[in-house]
Amino acid sequence: DVKVTQSSRYLVKRTGEKVFLECVQDMDHENMFWYRQDPGLGLRLIYFSYDVKMKEKGDIPEGYSVSREKKERFSLILESASTNQTSMYLCASIGTARTEAFFGQGTRLTVV
Amino acid sequence: AQSVTQLDSQVPVFEEAPVELRCNYSSSVSVYLFWYVQYPNQGLQLLLKYLSGSTLVKGINGFEAEFNKSQTSFHLRKPSVHISDTAEYFCAVSDGLGMRFGAGTRLTVKP
Repeated sequence: DVKVTQSSRYLVKRTGEKVFLECVQDMDHENMFWYRQDPGLGLRLIYFSYDVKMKEKGDIPEGYSVSREKKERFSLILESASTNQTSMYLCASIGTARTEAFFGQGTRLTVV
Repeated sequence: AQSVTQLDSQVPVFEEAPVELRCNYSSSVSVYLFWYVQYPNQGLQLLLKYLSGSTLVKGINGFEAEFNKSQTSFHLRKPSVHISDTAEYFCAVSDGLGMRFGAGTRLTVKP
């Protein structure tokens, strides 16, 4: 069974903290994505990566960075968390054929 | 980059009625198109996808969608909905520059 695993389901952090969200996939996929999901806004693309050490900005990269040191792992970093980054964060991976995205269970981040 | 517009944020319907959820996209290259469903407090699940070939695509749970290249649309339909179809539905497009989603349509099926 294919799997995308996010390290935490729920996370509460303080304003100004550096936050790491981890995502691991076991499908040997080249492409990995980070989205945030907010009511009425759908899923918005933050960053994506199509290979190890490669990254591309999505539509809302401000305040975020990413790291992809190994093919199976894609990390999202909030350099200095702010309350407007409170959201549900979803990781996804897609194979070369781009025929389907597989999602993690999501991390609900609350910044207080 | 591509973009996706879901034309209805909420669609209320009665049980056993037909439903259409509308999706338009824009992209400068050829695309793959998807519909995902998210049931309350659950993750995203693939309903159906268009990659190539026949423009009418059938998915799970009796849903189907039609790709219309000239109108850049990919509307989702079901001839008779059930209470259990109550969920949020997301249209998505992939063109090799990332996969992007619409804002979602909340389908509420009433008895």
